[in-house]
Amino acid sequence: QSVLTQPPSASGTPGQTVTISCSGSNSNIGSNNVYWYQHLPGTAPKFLIYPNSPRPSGVPDRFSASKSGTSAALAISGLRSEDEADYYCAAWDDSLRGFVFGSGTKVTVL
Amino acid sequence: EVQLVESGGGLVQPGGSLRLSCAASGFTFSGYWMTWVRQAPGKGLEWVANIKNDGSEQNYVDSVKGRFTISRDNAKNSVFLQMTGLRVEDTALYYCARATNADYWGQGTPVTVSS
Repeated sequence: QSVLTQPPSASGTPGQTVTISCSGSNSNIGSNNVYWYQHLPGTAPKFLIYPNSPRPSGVPDRFSASKSGTSAALAISGLRSEDEADYYCAAWDDSLRGFVFGSGTKVTVL
Repeated sequence: EVQLVESGGGLVQPGGSLRLSCAASGFTFSGYWMTWVRQAPGKGLEWVANIKNDGSEQNYVDSVKGRFTISRDNAKNSVFLQMTGLRVEDTALYYCARATNADYWGQGTPVTVSS
């Protein structure tokens, strides 16, 4: 059971916007940065973004992140076939004294 | 270019030990925390441990405390994960990553614990 809760799946057609939620608590999202990662099968996970920060080089501006209270979200606009992947949120947890990942959301492009 | 290359994975019996290594290049290694993350077959990502720049602080997920030890050698730009008392549930692909927020990842090294 993950400390951070994500929906198991999300989908959209090319060009649509897909939003993935990440729900936590005061000890993690509520008090620390939330990070998002993209993981394609057979490859190394890739750091994507976190709210109010510049995107790393190579990450399209179609990806955006937000946070409010103990929840966060990743939005993928202008959905493309290459966006099909697993997406994870993560944050430091002050109570656990560890970095916690969400359960992951599989994005499918229909 | 940041590069992280893991090694040391393999097949080990329950109760056995393995030492994973991660060789880093392309950045000032001593300026960053380093992290290990694993992914069990069919499961999501799980943070395992991290270590401060100078090695003075380490943090572990509860399930490996007392069994795994993270260490580093800044002269050799390397971070290690000594794993003892291995259990079947430790079977996973183990990734090395840079920084507390894992902004760069290696390709991973597989660990299989089975009799």
